[in-house]
Amino acid sequence: NAGVTQTPKFRVLKTGQSMTLLCAQDMNHEYMYWYRQDPGMGLRLIHYSVGEGTTAKGEVPDGYNVSRLKKQNFLLGLESAAPSQTSVYFCASSPLAGDYNEQFFGPGTRLTVL
Amino acid sequence: AQSVAQPEDQVNVAEGNPLTVKCTYSVSGNPYLFWYVQYPNRGLQFLLKYITGDNLVKGSYGFEAEFNKSQTSFHLKKPSALVSDSALYFCAVRDLPPNDYKLSFGAGTTVTVRA
Repeated sequence: NAGVTQTPKFRVLKTGQSMTLLCAQDMNHEYMYWYRQDPGMGLRLIHYSVGEGTTAKGEVPDGYNVSRLKKQNFLLGLESAAPSQTSVYFCASSPLAGDYNEQFFGPGTRLTVL
Repeated sequence: AQSVAQPEDQVNVAEGNPLTVKCTYSVSGNPYLFWYVQYPNRGLQFLLKYITGDNLVKGSYGFEAEFNKSQTSFHLKKPSALVSDSALYFCAVRDLPPNDYKLSFGAGTTVTVRA
């Protein structure tokens, strides 16, 4: 049981380049999330998904797109990277909300945009 | 909107001393509160949560948190800190239904425990 995994762990991009971050979970969770973490700002929700085939915007969605074609995977795309997107990105998942379950986090992807 | 605040950017304590990390909340209705810890170069790990019931919640690694409704606080505590407790700590609150699967996080508090 690997929990939540993220690929890649590190990446350096040039302004204007594109990339996709992959998140995978093996806990059969319904909900998945993408956050970015910046110093002094905590975690901010980029996009989330409440089930396979669904996505929704979070707090800071501009410049990002997501897809959830399979229940276990949640992809975050940057179509044209900007230096403001330099951050650490975390994926998380959680089961159905009825029991107020906690979210489970991946190890993060550190992205630098030059 | 539901929100939490962590008034201290940093907390420094000596090993063996009590550790307190502060969190205050602002919510409509009943608060559902969480504490997470992030060790260097790692993802967030769940420590404990308050849903309802006892105001003192016990969690992982010897941590506990005290829910205080009158002071709208949910402070994280450990009676005797270890050097290995040095990490970044986040308080979080659940959003209101129907979006109650979403969490809002505080800015984080860096804890340093010196030997």
